[in-house]
Amino acid sequence: NAGVMQNPRHLVRRRGQEARLRCSPMKGHSHVYWYRQLPEEGLKFMVYLQKENIIDESGMPKERFSAEFPKEGPSILRIQQVVRGDSAAYFCASSPFGGGAYEQYFGPGTRLTVT
Amino acid sequence: DQQVKQNSPSLSVQEGRISILNCDYTNSMFDYFLWYKKYPAEGPTFLISISSIKDKNEDGRFTVFLNKSAKHLSLHIVPSQPGDSAVYFCAAKEEGNQFYFGTGTSLTVIP
Repeated sequence: NAGVMQNPRHLVRRRGQEARLRCSPMKGHSHVYWYRQLPEEGLKFMVYLQKENIIDESGMPKERFSAEFPKEGPSILRIQQVVRGDSAAYFCASSPFGGGAYEQYFGPGTRLTVT
Repeated sequence: DQQVKQNSPSLSVQEGRISILNCDYTNSMFDYFLWYKKYPAEGPTFLISISSIKDKNEDGRFTVFLNKSAKHLSLHIVPSQPGDSAVYFCAAKEEGNQFYFGTGTSLTVIP
């Protein structure tokens, strides 16, 4: 049973470009969470999605960031017109149920560097 | 607004001794708490959790204690092993979807 998969593991983008981060949840998990970890900080919640629905996006910046979890395929976190401050590790996690009653299983993360 | 705080960024412990990692929170509505362990270049791995209706949960060498009146959570690892060296994050949630994570404590177990 494969764990949560994220790709790419490392992504370098120039300022102004778009970044697309992918997350495939564990088999049987239909709930996906995205987190960002800035240097020297903890994990900050960004968004919680179920298939085809955004449940909670209270942690997402209002501009340039969007997330989706289509019926088929991985969840995508999209950052448009990246800036240096977007450089961080982005982790996704999945769980079999929502509401946070179950632990979340994390992927290895995507390290985004904006030059 | 850091609702979950880990005030010790690092901790060193001798192999075989007890490691105690601490976590404080501000939101009295938190009802579920977890500890995660993270190795470099990997995602966090779930370690142990506790519901707010309990004050202790034990799993092998790992025990989590919850003091609701003090809004304090601790993780005890005994005996500590070199493989336990990692960054430990505590997390908390209230009813709903969002987990709040602390900034992590880097544990080094010295052989």
